[in-house]
Amino acid sequence: SYELTQPPSVSVSPGQTARITCSGDALPKQYAYWFQQKPGQAPVLVIYQDSERPSGIPERFSGSSSGTTVTLTISGVQAEDEADYYCQSADRSDTSVIFGGGTKLTVL
Amino acid sequence: QVQLVQSGAEVKKPGASVKVSCKASGYTFNGYYMHWVRQAPGQGLEWMGWINPNNGGTNYAQKFQGRVTMTRDTSISTANMELSRLRADDTAVYYCARVSAVEGHNGMDVWGQGTTVTVSS
Repeated sequence: SYELTQPPSVSVSPGQTARITCSGDALPKQYAYWFQQKPGQAPVLVIYQDSERPSGIPERFSGSSSGTTVTLTISGVQAEDEADYYCQSADRSDTSVIFGGGTKLTVL
Repeated sequence: QVQLVQSGAEVKKPGASVKVSCKASGYTFNGYYMHWVRQAPGQGLEWMGWINPNNGGTNYAQKFQGRVTMTRDTSISTANMELSRLRADDTAVYYCARVSAVEGHNGMDVWGQGTTVTVSS
């Protein structure tokens, strides 16, 4: 079955840049989405269509795509950005939604 | 404002069924697919399927086919997800999330608060 692969954890110091990757064979043909989830809360969409930012999401959040890998970049990381981040896309046939395993971002 | 409000926590015995509801407000209910996503304790997000409120059409993840039924009541702008033959590993928080039927590539932009379902004998 199709999978999206994320690193389990990423750690950065405040003010640095965090990059979280997500790899999947269908990503060149399917859009990717990124969600932020803090403990006890529902996920929040932070990036859609690979690189678009919903209204209300800070400009420090950006997304990019290259081949079979998409990347969520958080520039000037703040303590409040500490959370789990999930990528999401669709399989090649566009019938199933897939989530990556999630990446825990720790702000040191 | 746009919001999805889900029904309250449930405790069920193995083999039973559970029905979770998701009431939409602040937008045109028929204009957005409703997806269901669950999250087991300490685990990641798992997609279960979606329903098109406009015509009741559904698309279920293969893992849940035969056990999940998604319905909607347009008169009260509510989507429902029923999971049958519950097992202990169905213990999870269940979320509903909307996706535009027209601008589908805008993603799951609004989520419900989640409903905790505990399966225990």
